[in-house]
Amino acid sequence: DTGVSQDPRHKITKRGQNVTFRCDPISEHNRLYWYRQTLGQGPEFLTYFQNEAQLEKSRLLSDRFSAERPKGSFSTLEIQRTEQGDSAMYLCASGIYLPPAGGRSTDTQYFGPGTRLTVL
Amino acid sequence: QQPVQSPQAVILREGEDAVINCSSSKALYSVHWYRQKHGEAPVFLMILLKGGEQKGHDKISASFNEKKQQSSLYLTASQLSYSGTYFCGTEEDSGAGSYQLTFGKGTKLSVIP
Repeated sequence: DTGVSQDPRHKITKRGQNVTFRCDPISEHNRLYWYRQTLGQGPEFLTYFQNEAQLEKSRLLSDRFSAERPKGSFSTLEIQRTEQGDSAMYLCASGIYLPPAGGRSTDTQYFGPGTRLTVL
Repeated sequence: QQPVQSPQAVILREGEDAVINCSSSKALYSVHWYRQKHGEAPVFLMILLKGGEQKGHDKISASFNEKKQQSSLYLTASQLSYSGTYFCGTEEDSGAGSYQLTFGKGTKLSVIP
């Protein structure tokens, strides 16, 4: 258990319905990432937040996808008008980013258990 | 661009060693290694920053050759618990400071008694 939680763990929905997933990161972490993983593939980056600001979005994130992190704590990922191709594991990861004194730095990303979405 | 991992799969007997490679066509700032067991989330193993460092964690270590944009994960004296799919995630060394990780397709490691 990394301390990152996701809810629900499983979601089955019908095509065309909207779904929303929640991620609660490790409390002191200021970075939150969303990834999507399909069978036999590595996680694919969708978007990330630093505090409440959404800093980067993948081209994979169509207009039907929206993510928020309103108070810089938990985050939600909503998929509107779901399609069968949206079926995947949606993973959330959190990390702590400390501005470097010089140059740049990176953060370690700790993954939650994921939400498995099945679109019928 | 997605890094290339090799081999795609490997079967080991307990106590044997293995090397998993990760190669990118992009200049990299960091390489992150994860292990994922079936139905579970990826678990962080280690991170290597550019500078050609090598890291160790118990009997698992890794190296990063920034000139070749390659990283290798070394597993020595493998245990049954090492079974799983290993992913490398790469972070490009771009001036914009992009922090997203691009993951390879994974290497499935099976350790048998």
